Amino acid sequence: GESVGLHLPTLSVQEGDNSIINCAYSNSASDYFIWYKQESGKGPQFIIDIRSNMDKRQGQRVTVLLNKTVKHLSLQIAATQPGDSAVYFCAENDGGATNKLIFGTGTLLAVQP
Amino acid sequence: EAGVTQFPSHSVIEKGQTVTLRCDPISGHDNLYWYRRVMGKEIKFLLHFVKESKQDESGMPNNRFLAERTGGTYSTLKVQPAELEDSGVYFCASSPGLRGEQFFGPGTRLTVL
Repeated sequence: GESVGLHLPTLSVQEGDNSIINCAYSNSASDYFIWYKQESGKGPQFIIDIRSNMDKRQGQRVTVLLNKTVKHLSLQIAATQPGDSAVYFCAENDGGATNKLIFGTGTLLAVQP
Repeated sequence: EAGVTQFPSHSVIEKGQTVTLRCDPISGHDNLYWYRRVMGKEIKFLLHFVKESKQDESGMPNNRFLAERTGGTYSTLKVQPAELEDSGVYFCASSPGLRGEQFFGPGTRLTVL
């Protein structure tokens, strides 16, 4: 798959546990942040986003936390399921006119049944 | 509604050959982005179109890469001549406006031998 050769940080959790995936960003001008999920052979799939005027946003089983003071973003997945196994990327916009995204390296989430 | 589509899904070529990748964005999305992920690295921005106009091509690696979006619909990304370091997965994304989610295609895996 696409991940061959990549040495991603890996988070291994048991099915039913909660998962927390962390991400640090560096661009102070960023005002929009997204978490994407990428399964093997597929493109990044939107999970949840958050704007810089918020510090927490919840979706279905997922919560994103934003700490602008330390430039830290986290994704919490409740009751992790085998179908959640994938590579998770955080991304920030560049704060400029094009809204281009700056991606993190990614974290491989492995859910053990 | 169809998502972002990309063609081909895989391409294997020899160094020095030419390859053209195609992206069909979601209908009505004026913004089209190209990104790529080379082995061992994070996903990186290449360029951004608004309709048929290039708004930002700051991520294009060199002049061997040429992107077009004639008519403001689908886009092509040509690599000529291809080099070994061009191998990776090329993603296309589209969005209706300059704020908010970018919808990604499945990517084209390019292998240069």
